[in-house]
Amino acid sequence: DGGITQSPKYLFRKEGQNVTLSCEQNLNHDAMYWYRQDPGQGLRLIYYSQIVNDFQKGDIAEGYSVSREKKESFPLTVTSAQKNPTAFYLCASSMDPATSYEQYFGPGTRLTVT
Amino acid sequence: LAKTTQPISMDSYEGQEVNITCSHNNIATNDYITWYQQFPSQGPRFIIQGYKTKVTNEVASLFIPADRKSSTLSLPRVSLSDTAVYYCLVASMDTGRRALTFGSGTRLQVQP
Repeated sequence: DGGITQSPKYLFRKEGQNVTLSCEQNLNHDAMYWYRQDPGQGLRLIYYSQIVNDFQKGDIAEGYSVSREKKESFPLTVTSAQKNPTAFYLCASSMDPATSYEQYFGPGTRLTVT
Repeated sequence: LAKTTQPISMDSYEGQEVNITCSHNNIATNDYITWYQQFPSQGPRFIIQGYKTKVTNEVASLFIPADRKSSTLSLPRVSLSDTAVYYCLVASMDTGRRALTFGSGTRLQVQP
């Protein structure tokens, strides 16, 4: 089955630790995205990548880092510099961002930092 | 980026048609209107996309008037499983960025 996988579904970390969230897609999509969602709010863009080895900051990139070494993978690292990291993180991909805004989302990772 | 305004919540009953209207007064010439659906603790799911007039697919219709300053998502004969948050987004083909800007959405509650 084609789709986007995110792991783990739930993640717990102590304050001050870096943590990496996994996102893998087998849809052969060029573009991938990371969003953050806080309770009762819409999604906010963290980073996006339109092609391998290239990525751009979104609206709330501070305290986060990404890499795009392979087309299928777009991991997100939440660093200790992120002041309020507890949130629901969603990864998405799209086939041709030049012609369609249809993005396919993964199931999400709920990160709790204490 | 064009700002969108939509109702915070709506209630309906099974079998009724539901219309959710979104206002986007500063939409630009090359902007598209897109709607997504999200269930709790899941990623959003694309519903429909349009530029002008009417677009229909197997799950919904999207009505866009000539001035494009608003749009209406129409869900025919809703069921309990349509209870979700619905997001209206305006996205531009002009910029290099193709990512989406989500507002707070409309929380639709369908009652039996």
